[in-house]
Amino acid sequence: AQSVAQPEDQVNVAEGNPLTVKCTYSVSGNPYLFWYVQYPNRGLQFLLKYITGDNLVKGSYGFEAEFNKSQTSFHLKKPSALVSDSALYFCAVRDGNDYKLSFGAGTTVTVRA
Amino acid sequence: DTAVSQTPKYLVTQMGNDKSIKCEQNLGHDTMYWYKQDSKKFLKIMFSYNNKELIINETVPNRFSPKSPDKAHLNLHINSLELGDSAVYFCASSPVAGGPRDTQYFGPGTRLTVL
Repeated sequence: AQSVAQPEDQVNVAEGNPLTVKCTYSVSGNPYLFWYVQYPNRGLQFLLKYITGDNLVKGSYGFEAEFNKSQTSFHLKKPSALVSDSALYFCAVRDGNDYKLSFGAGTTVTVRA
Repeated sequence: DTAVSQTPKYLVTQMGNDKSIKCEQNLGHDTMYWYKQDSKKFLKIMFSYNNKELIINETVPNRFSPKSPDKAHLNLHINSLELGDSAVYFCASSPVAGGPRDTQYFGPGTRLTVL
């Protein structure tokens, strides 16, 4: 079985401040981890993924995520948030031996000017 | 230019009707998916096809039937629509099913409202 937890429903930050969106996962095999962003009334956009190798993964729009195997976490980060980063963020996990992608419940990020 | 497209974007219909949603991808991917996003934004996988073969068939009412005429298309037909079917339905595609190259790309969604 595989699952994802996003412990915060909402994250609020001021523009220019660092942004962190938390994610923890559970899989029985090797984890493949993903972050997606959903803007209002839009589809999900792929941001980045971790498959293997360097624990720090860089993605689109200045986002990065750090894989931590001992803490089973894959937190999304951005050093300096923009108002345009306000959106719904989903973490997802897939067991390396499986086809199915399991999504977290999502975290709504609001960046205030 | 659109990679994964869905039609229609909005669908409003009466209970008991039958409707279809269409999905097309021009990425040359082998695998396609249907997801349902409920009012709380929770995403649930419904079906997946790999090279026209059904590989994921989650527990959904049998009123929902996917059809894949070719690798680039995956349609969703819903019979006898119910109020609870109201949701946003997303199509996605991936180069392969499973493995490190499997990354899903999503369409814009179809908002279904059942009255």
